[in-house]
Amino acid sequence: DVKVTQSSRYLVKRTGEKVFLECVQDMDHENMFWYRQDPGLGLRLIYFSYDVKMKEKGDIPEGYSVSREKKERFSLILESASTNQTSMYLCASDGGDTQYFGPGTRLTVL
Amino acid sequence: AQKITQTQPGMFVQEKEAVTLDCTYDTSDPSYGLFWYKQPSSGEMIFLIYQGSYDQQNATEGRYSLNFQKARKSANLVISASQLGDSAMYFCAMREPQYTGTASKLTFGTGTRLQVTL
Repeated sequence: DVKVTQSSRYLVKRTGEKVFLECVQDMDHENMFWYRQDPGLGLRLIYFSYDVKMKEKGDIPEGYSVSREKKERFSLILESASTNQTSMYLCASDGGDTQYFGPGTRLTVL
Repeated sequence: AQKITQTQPGMFVQEKEAVTLDCTYDTSDPSYGLFWYKQPSSGEMIFLIYQGSYDQQNATEGRYSLNFQKARKSANLVISASQLGDSAMYFCAMREPQYTGTASKLTFGTGTRLQVTL
């Protein structure tokens, strides 16, 4: 069975903190994605990776960076968290047929 | 650029009735895929159904069917015999063709919140 896990379901951070969101998949997929979800805006792509150490910007990369040192792990980094980054963050792994999503991390930046 | 439009922010349906959730799309690529996902209040996105642009028949998966009208660029989700557990957000998404050296991305609509009532 396909499994995508995210390090936290809920996270509260302070403005200016460096934040790491981790995503792990156990399906040996090459492609992984980070989205943020906000009410009325749907899912918006932040960054994606199509191989180890390979990454591309999505539609809203500003204020974020990513790391993919191993195939199974894709990390989203907020270098200096701001209140407008309060959101639901979803990680996905692409199996070729569809994208499989993790449970999401609800991040609040105070 | 690809675009997905879901014009219904919220829908109500009575239990055991059928409901149609609207989705229109815009793309200049002849090859594309259309998806529907369900997101319960728990937050996880659940894949429901897929339709390829060259598929001749409408996709079906149990109580879910996709009403694909290519000329009108619409891909509506039909849920038959609604159940209370169908209450959730529903997202339509489109996948662009995959090009060498990168990944194929999904573009999502803004979603429709479905509430099933007794």
